[in-house]
Amino acid sequence: EPEVTQTPSHQVTQMGQEVILRCVPISNHLYFYWYRQILGQKVEFLVSFYNNEISEKSEIFDDQFSVERPDGSNFTLKIRSTKLEDSAMYFCASSGAQGLHYEQYFGPGTRLTVT
Amino acid sequence: GQQVMQIPQYQHVQEGEDFTTYCNSSTTLSNIQWYKQRPGGHPVFLIQLVKSGEVKKQKRLTFQFGEAKKNSSLHITATQTTDVGTYFCAVFTGGFKTIFGAGTRLFVKA
Repeated sequence: EPEVTQTPSHQVTQMGQEVILRCVPISNHLYFYWYRQILGQKVEFLVSFYNNEISEKSEIFDDQFSVERPDGSNFTLKIRSTKLEDSAMYFCASSGAQGLHYEQYFGPGTRLTVT
Repeated sequence: GQQVMQIPQYQHVQEGEDFTTYCNSSTTLSNIQWYKQRPGGHPVFLIQLVKSGEVKKQKRLTFQFGEAKKNSSLHITATQTTDVGTYFCAVFTGGFKTIFGAGTRLFVKA
C-alpha cells in the first residue's frame, strides 16, 4: 500500500539553526500538508500546498517557515531559525484528487528537538 | 475561525465496554472528519461526514453528524485493546486547512 515517508525520523538542532524536514508524498497525490504536534497536544495545521503554491497557512506558519516541492517527489518544510518552542513532531500529509482530496494520508513524522 | 471542542479528554474503559467521544462547534460545520492516532503513531483518517443527520458505520465504530451540523460523535461498541489511542475530530475547510479538536484519549483495560 502506498505511504507517505518522512526523513529524518528525529532531528536535534540548536536554537537559531536552520532545519529542513523532508517528505515524500504518495506519488499520484496533488495536495500536500504540514502539521505539527507538541507532545500530548492536538495536531496543528501549518500549511497546505497545491499546484506549486501555498493554498492556506496558519498563524503559526510565519516568515521563519517555508515549503517547497523541489522536484516531482519531495516536499520540504524549512525552519530558518529554530526556537525552543519549535520542538514538536512534524507530520507531512498528502491527499489525492477528484472527490477524495479530503482524505489525508499522514507520514510517520519527524521529531524535532531544539536545544 | 472555526473551532471544534472535544469531550471527554480521557476515557478509561474495561475491554468490552462501549466508548463515545463527542465533538461540538458553536458554528455550523461543512463537514466533520475523524482520525485515530495510536500511541507513538501518526493520525489515520477514519471517515468524513458531510450531511445533516448522517450516520456511518465501520465495523464496531459508529459515526454521527448532528442535524444542525454543529456536533458529531464517534461510538465504539465493545472496545478491544486494539482500540487504544487518541481519537480526533477535525474540520476540513475549503482552503485545504484541517482544524483538529483536542482529542479524546482512550485507555482500554484487558
